[in-house]
Amino acid sequence: AQKITQTQPGMFVQEKEAVTLDCTYDTSDQSYGLFWYKQPSSGEMIFLIYQGSYDEQNATEGRYSLNFQKARKSANLVISASQLGDSAMYFCAMREVRNYGGSQGNLIFGKGTKLSVKP
Amino acid sequence: KAGVTQTPRYLIKTRGQQVTLSCSPISGHRSVSWYQQTPGQGLQFLFEYFSETQRNKGNFPGRFSGRQFSNSRSEMNVSTLELGDSALYLCASSPGDRELHQPQHFGDGTRLSIL
Repeated sequence: AQKITQTQPGMFVQEKEAVTLDCTYDTSDQSYGLFWYKQPSSGEMIFLIYQGSYDEQNATEGRYSLNFQKARKSANLVISASQLGDSAMYFCAMREVRNYGGSQGNLIFGKGTKLSVKP
Repeated sequence: KAGVTQTPRYLIKTRGQQVTLSCSPISGHRSVSWYQQTPGQGLQFLFEYFSETQRNKGNFPGRFSGRQFSNSRSEMNVSTLELGDSALYLCASSPGDRELHQPQHFGDGTRLSIL
């Protein structure tokens, strides 16, 4: 079973509108972290926002916010006031405590959503 | 602060050859992780190095190996290259403090093409 599921392979949004990118996850850990990354066509993965499993408030970072619903195991990314530069692949990722062992724990990524912003 | 630097950006090799990719982490970061990204499999974790020791490993064959130097720079080696090894190889660094909330910071990647 996939640990991270992003059901939207591609999304279109009009410039200046808000858009929600979906992410659901599967873990039996009580403590875990959720991350969103942006990957432009150049290839670099850019960290956007983090949500911890014990965080009571939804994370926000500028125009990015996370709609975190722990019971539903979902962590949807909301981008407000879309800009043309937001066109990119967006990846949801999870770090589980069980991955630690002797390490910090690697990230498990979803397949990504390609967002296209229309002028 | 300089970001994660990966060299080279592009590589073209033929089947059976071997290749070495390099990664310089953000200054002060001691953990370096490597990921393989392909259209079919997405992003998959290869391994993580911390203080010159491999401390986490993904599910890849032994042809994939790595090492880390005392200055935290890391290299990844792939021997006996196969067509399926064509991918974008991403390096990521983090402080390595075992903090759940620490993001990994990625380089631009090395795009490897096997002919």
